Amino acid sequence: DQQVKQNSPSLSVQEGRISILNCDYTNSMFDYFLWYKKYPAEGPTFLISISSIKDKNEDGRFTVFLNKSAKHLSLHIVPSQPGDSAVYFCAAHHTGNQFYFGTGTSLTVIP
Amino acid sequence: EPEVTQTPSHQVTQMGQEVILRCVPISNHLYFYWYRQILGQKVEFLVSFYNNEISEKSEIFDDQFSVERPDGSNFTLKIRSTKLEDSAMYFCASSEWVPETQYFGPGTRLLVL
Repeated sequence: DQQVKQNSPSLSVQEGRISILNCDYTNSMFDYFLWYKKYPAEGPTFLISISSIKDKNEDGRFTVFLNKSAKHLSLHIVPSQPGDSAVYFCAAHHTGNQFYFGTGTSLTVIP
Repeated sequence: EPEVTQTPSHQVTQMGQEVILRCVPISNHLYFYWYRQILGQKVEFLVSFYNNEISEKSEIFDDQFSVERPDGSNFTLKIRSTKLEDSAMYFCASSEWVPETQYFGPGTRLLVL
């Protein structure tokens, strides 16, 4: 049961441009969303989160947007840097201790 | 900066053997998790652990899996009788509260032959 979906397995962006990574979810009970970045041979690293009471959260070059009516969130990275090249996972949470992860989007930032 | 550590980094085992994957969560964290990622697939939740007991588990976490916090610092995942399909990267994570940021360890790559 794929409750969190990342429909783009990969994305390539020129350095300096904006990267937009998308995530859709099906469960309207999700109340907290996170983005993680993962480099090969490492564990996921927390990037940014957003509560369902907000529609935007910003941290430096990273902004997460939440559209509850569309059950959609996106991560914007601007400007994109080569070091941002990694796999990005969105994750969602509702009551309980379980987080549901998407399948990931592999971002390549081209110098 | 505190971090979650996992040992071993790689484990190769024969089908049917028992394996124990070890994790040391961040010391002041109260919630502990195991996830796995089969090559090329999504990160899948296995189990969460709080107050010395399982608080939630997924369908994947069947009777062959068990978790333990034997000594107040380590958090272990035991697979009693490994199957080929258990081959995956296993990640441990911990968090101070829920929902809060989970900090992940570097993972243990398990290969079952």
